[in-house]
Amino acid sequence: QKEVEQDPGPLSVPEGAIVSLNCTYSNSAFQYFMWYRQYSRKGPELLMYTYSSGNKEDGRFTAQVDKSSKYISLFIRDSQPSDSATYLCAMKGSGNTGKLIFGQGTTLQVKP
Amino acid sequence: EPEVTQTPSHQVTQMGQEVILRCVPISNHLYFYWYRQILGQKVEFLVSFYNNEISEKSEIFDDQFSVERPDGSNFTLKIRSTKLEDSAMYFCASSDLAGSYTGELFFGEGSRLTVL
Repeated sequence: QKEVEQDPGPLSVPEGAIVSLNCTYSNSAFQYFMWYRQYSRKGPELLMYTYSSGNKEDGRFTAQVDKSSKYISLFIRDSQPSDSATYLCAMKGSGNTGKLIFGQGTTLQVKP
Repeated sequence: EPEVTQTPSHQVTQMGQEVILRCVPISNHLYFYWYRQILGQKVEFLVSFYNNEISEKSEIFDDQFSVERPDGSNFTLKIRSTKLEDSAMYFCASSDLAGSYTGELFFGEGSRLTVL
């Protein structure tokens, strides 16, 4: 079983739609859960992180973590064409080495 | 807004040659990282670096790889004898202490390495 699994898509939605992106993982030691956005030929850019289980909201973005199911989600409300990018989930355990385990990334296209 | 800068943006080299990829982390960050992404694959951790020492390295980071902070601003990744399978996008990242725990890393735009 892969440590972090993410459907690569592509996912195509109309402008204004609610988008749901998901990852599953197998390592119960993961404590921090992140969502990064990567535009074509650019580096990953952090959207938000969550510690342990729960929800976190930032504007149109909501991250959810369910540690009991080893499942994390990112919801994008009122999606915009500028949201078109690859979304990477990433996870890490405790400690300060900054070692992130990334998912494959889901490519999202928001059509005007 | 402060950013991580990487040079070169693209380097083409012959198999067996040495390559040095350079990074200028965000100025008040003390934790530095290299990641790589082979085309179509996941972003993979290579190494983390703090206080002039490697904090952690992955299995990928074997003896042909080395990192150095030669001065107060640069952070470099050296590949001693490149192989075809080293062709990838290499990302430098940096963080402060909190980010090293929470995963708030700031990535550069990457250096694309092509080994022929």
